[in-house]
Amino acid sequence: GNSVTQMEGPVTLSEEAFLTINCTYTATGYPSLFWYVQYPGEGLQLLLKATKADDKGSNKGFEATYRKETTSFHLEKGSVQVSDSAVYFCALRRYYGGATNKLIFGTGTLLAVQP
Amino acid sequence: NAGVTQTPKFQVLKTGQSMTLQCAQDMNHNSMYWYRQDPGMGLRLIYYSASEGTTDKGEVPNGYNVSRLNKREFSLRLESAAPSQTSVYFCASSSQQGQPQHFGDGTRLSIL
Repeated sequence: GNSVTQMEGPVTLSEEAFLTINCTYTATGYPSLFWYVQYPGEGLQLLLKATKADDKGSNKGFEATYRKETTSFHLEKGSVQVSDSAVYFCALRRYYGGATNKLIFGTGTLLAVQP
Repeated sequence: NAGVTQTPKFQVLKTGQSMTLQCAQDMNHNSMYWYRQDPGMGLRLIYYSASEGTTDKGEVPNGYNVSRLNKREFSLRLESAAPSQTSVYFCASSSQQGQPQHFGDGTRLSIL
């Protein structure tokens, strides 16, 4: 079946450190891949996405590359800020050929950035 | 610029009580979803509605019912609440063309 595995947290970094949050997936076919971010007390917001192999999604300094050969979609940022502290979810979407597109989420990784 | 609106934001219930969580979106989206979020388990799909007039079970539908009242509104009902249903519930919506899902801010539900 389809599944997403992401590194367990919490991840604690100092401001301006380099961030990597690992995400690997299992899926048949060619899923689309997403990173969502959840700030405290809020819902999930789409951070970035990639829809085919070798695509790179990017937003707000975050990047992730769709690697089909390693079935991975690792999230990276060169220099984190305190305001990046949040829970990050990796997700995949299979298009089922109908009218909907269901997401499968990883368990989430809490990032805490210290000043 | 409301997006997806969920009510209430917080609720405490006693075991056996019933409750309806409301969700409305103003983006003219066709598809709507209900998820629950539990520690260490990410988000799990409870029910979804691909379009107005249709609903389908997701990964964890037991103990829940849904109603797609119209294109804007999708409610989730707990007929007889159980402590295992203590969770944060998120509603989401998306267009039919595979665009990303937009989430509400969640309802934090505690069942004693």
